Amino acid sequence: GQSLEQPSEVTAVEGAIVQINCTYQTSGFYGLSWYQQHDGGAPTFLSYNALDGLEETGRFSSFLSRSDSYGYLLLQELQMKDSASYFCAVRDMDSNYQLIWGAGTKLIIKP
Amino acid sequence: DGGITQSPKYLFRKEGQNVTLSCEQNLNHDAMYWYRQDPGQGLRLIYYSQIVNDFQKGDIAEGYSVSREKKESFPLTVTSAQKNPTAFYLCASRGGQGGKQPQHFGDGTRLSIL
Repeated sequence: GQSLEQPSEVTAVEGAIVQINCTYQTSGFYGLSWYQQHDGGAPTFLSYNALDGLEETGRFSSFLSRSDSYGYLLLQELQMKDSASYFCAVRDMDSNYQLIWGAGTKLIIKP
Repeated sequence: DGGITQSPKYLFRKEGQNVTLSCEQNLNHDAMYWYRQDPGQGLRLIYYSQIVNDFQKGDIAEGYSVSREKKESFPLTVTSAQKNPTAFYLCASRGGQGGKQPQHFGDGTRLSIL
């Protein structure tokens, strides 16, 4: 079957760095995306990795290792507004290139 | 400003009733999607459409129906056959063919049973 696993909750302190991991098991991996969703809101796109390595966008970075079926989202200089749920999603060739979503990681930031 | 508009924001359904959720986009995107999100869960794909007058079932299509008569519009009907419709429904669109192209989401419709 196809599945993604990510921690259900992560807690960090304002100003710190946090890493949210995602491991996946899919038959036709094409790329890994990350989305942010505030409570009751719409998911918004953060990053996409198709090749191994690190992609950096401001305070957020995303990493992919295709050989390990693993990726992570790194958030630096945490701000209170970063409190949200973060979803990894795999674009899967065997699902007609549709996204398969993880269950999400709730990030709690303490002052 | 371009974007995706979902309406209504909140919707209540009576037993045995069909209800339709609206999704309109002015991003000129070919692909549109409907997802269902339950509390503490990820998004599950209900239906998607990659071009006008064509759509495909996602993972949980039973009890739902869609149409795609116009590029801008992709309404979702929750039929009485869907026995557990209470959820947050999200519509999305996507432009281009590359894997990097993100999905853009509306603000969602929260559906509850009366």
